[in-house]
Amino acid sequence: NAGVTQTPKFQVLKTGQSMTLQCAQDMNHEYMSWYRQDPGMGLRLIHYSVGAGITDQGEVPNGYNVSRSTTEDFPLRLLSAAPSQTSVYFCASSPDWSTDTQYFGPGTRLTVL
Amino acid sequence: AQRVTQPEKLLSVFKGAPVELKCNYSYSGSPELFWYVQYSRQRLQLLLRHISRESIKGFTADLNKGETSFHLKKPFAQEEDSAMYYCALTGSARQLTFGSGTQLTVLP
Repeated sequence: NAGVTQTPKFQVLKTGQSMTLQCAQDMNHEYMSWYRQDPGMGLRLIHYSVGAGITDQGEVPNGYNVSRSTTEDFPLRLLSAAPSQTSVYFCASSPDWSTDTQYFGPGTRLTVL
Repeated sequence: AQRVTQPEKLLSVFKGAPVELKCNYSYSGSPELFWYVQYSRQRLQLLLRHISRESIKGFTADLNKGETSFHLKKPFAQEEDSAMYYCALTGSARQLTFGSGTQLTVLP
């Protein structure tokens, strides 16, 4: 099993550009989520999904969109990047929506200029 | 609303000394509490959870509902324990809320 994979590892964007951060898992987990990690603020939940076709907002959803068309994939879209979105993004998955033992991806470091 | 507070951003101890990483939470119901750890160049991973009442790598954590705390302890720190530690909580919303993290450095 590859576990949770994320691409790209690093990305630099200009303000206003759009992009999609990819996340995939091969463990057949129903629950998937996106976090951003900022210095001094820990990890904050952006969006999550309890299964294919179902998504919901977390603590900091503004500026981000998600979709869950398959169990395996949970992409995160930035429609118009802003410098405030400079962060490290982590995708995670767990067997069910009880969120016990989340498995994290390696992260994507995003810089918005 | 649920909230997790880790008051120490940085913590340094010498090898062999006891270590305690503090975690306080705010939640009106019965929370589930976790400690996650991120070693250098590795993924964030679960260290332990209170419901399991287990000891992992010599670490333990006791839930104190009266003080709303879930401090992480280890009697004898090792250099390989150096990492970023996050306390986390889930409540009725089943969303995982993290604290801001404590960077532990174990000095030789």
